[in-house]
Amino acid sequence: QITLKESGPTLVKPTETLTLTCTFSGFSFSETGVGVGWIRQPPGRALEWLAIILWDDKTRYTPSLKNRVSVTKGTPKNQVVLTVTNMDPDDTGTYYCAHRIVSPNWGSPFDIWGQGAMVIVSS
Amino acid sequence: VVMTQSPATLSVSPGERATLSCRASQTVGSSLAWYQQKPGQAPRLLIYDASTRATGIPVRFSGSGSGTEFTLTINSLQSEDFAVYYCQQYSYWPPHTFGQGTKLEIK
Repeated sequence: QITLKESGPTLVKPTETLTLTCTFSGFSFSETGVGVGWIRQPPGRALEWLAIILWDDKTRYTPSLKNRVSVTKGTPKNQVVLTVTNMDPDDTGTYYCAHRIVSPNWGSPFDIWGQGAMVIVSS
Repeated sequence: VVMTQSPATLSVSPGERATLSCRASQTVGSSLAWYQQKPGQAPRLLIYDASTRATGIPVRFSGSGSGTEFTLTINSLQSEDFAVYYCQQYSYWPPHTFGQGTKLEIK
């Protein structure tokens, strides 16, 4: 059974850096085609795809965050870390990590999601 | 790629059929997924590759379309089906864009 859970601060100040950790079980990056993505959702608004890291260490980021976002594999090996620099009140929302359907292709949807972590940006 | 969903809100009575639409600004082939999200919950994958039901999804949910026009059909609406539905393309990245959502409400 695949599970994922996000953890990190609930409140960050403007200009600070957000670091969220996704801890997962039931799969491993040693399997070809595995990927973990990050998606966020401002209150009352739509989902926004942020980033993904794949089994082969390749990463992709949304251009809208203009080099503010990065994703790395954590230590231990069942973690993925999302970093967003220079946080702004517009970055307030629920941040989800999700497992994508195992595929050797670049594109694949997210089949299992974490419960989400609410992040508020305010001074 | 911009994903446009219509309508923004759809009012349907329980037991009836709901038809939700999603349009892509350029062709995405069959690389299209549908998600259901209930208040306070994470999204749940319903359909991928435009028409393949995800594991455990009831047969009343079906997807169709290819290229730029896609449809999610929900037959015999149950009370638990009233939620917000999102489409997502995963043909072009970054990013794998989501639509703005369709809220399915009880009529």
